[in-house]
Amino acid sequence: DAGITQSPRYKITETGRQVTLMCHQTWSHSYMFWYRQDLGHGLRLIYYSAAADITDKGEVPDGYVVSRSKTENFPLTLESATRSQTSVYFCASSESPGANTGELFFGEGSRLTVL
Amino acid sequence: AQTVTQSQPEMSVQEAETVTLSCTYDTSENNYYLFWYKQPPSRQMILVIRQEAYKQQNATENRFSVNFQKAAKSFSLKISDSQLGDTAMYFCAFMNPNGGALNFGKGTSLLVTP
Repeated sequence: DAGITQSPRYKITETGRQVTLMCHQTWSHSYMFWYRQDLGHGLRLIYYSAAADITDKGEVPDGYVVSRSKTENFPLTLESATRSQTSVYFCASSESPGANTGELFFGEGSRLTVL
Repeated sequence: AQTVTQSQPEMSVQEAETVTLSCTYDTSENNYYLFWYKQPPSRQMILVIRQEAYKQQNATENRFSVNFQKAAKSFSLKISDSQLGDTAMYFCAFMNPNGGALNFGKGTSLLVTP
């Protein structure tokens, strides 16, 4: 199906382990984003990418790594997971901001628990 | 960075009534986009309504409308004829077209009661 998909939808891991959350979109959107959602904080931007091989930090990038070797994929890696990274993670994509309406299309979210 | 403030953490409204959710933002930009997203218990983020700052006319989508006050940097969402399915978290968001990312408020949890 077309759209934006995240995997896994649920993940439980232990402190210190490496975790990778996958994001795949079929629209060929230029922009992709990773947000985390925490109670009382809304959604906060972790990293974003304007195109393949171009990534930039958002508001809360520490402890995360991203890559974008292909336009359709934007994986998020926690190199050494900490309890504070327990959260719901959302991937999103959009066309170039000036080209259309600026709307972001979101995946269904990945709930990560770090024990 | 632009900040978005939603001053109402929780709100409640009875079915068929009207409710207004508040949002203010801070920016020095003249051109930008504003959004309201809805997040029901399914966790899916759904676009409710969008406003371009250069447009003076307030956006409307069926029962949802906004009151956009550019000078006051205010962007409130009005839901008319509230339905049980409107129960959700509502997020106000700001976008600078040059940046591409959305800055979100902390959200307002809306409960629609019978």
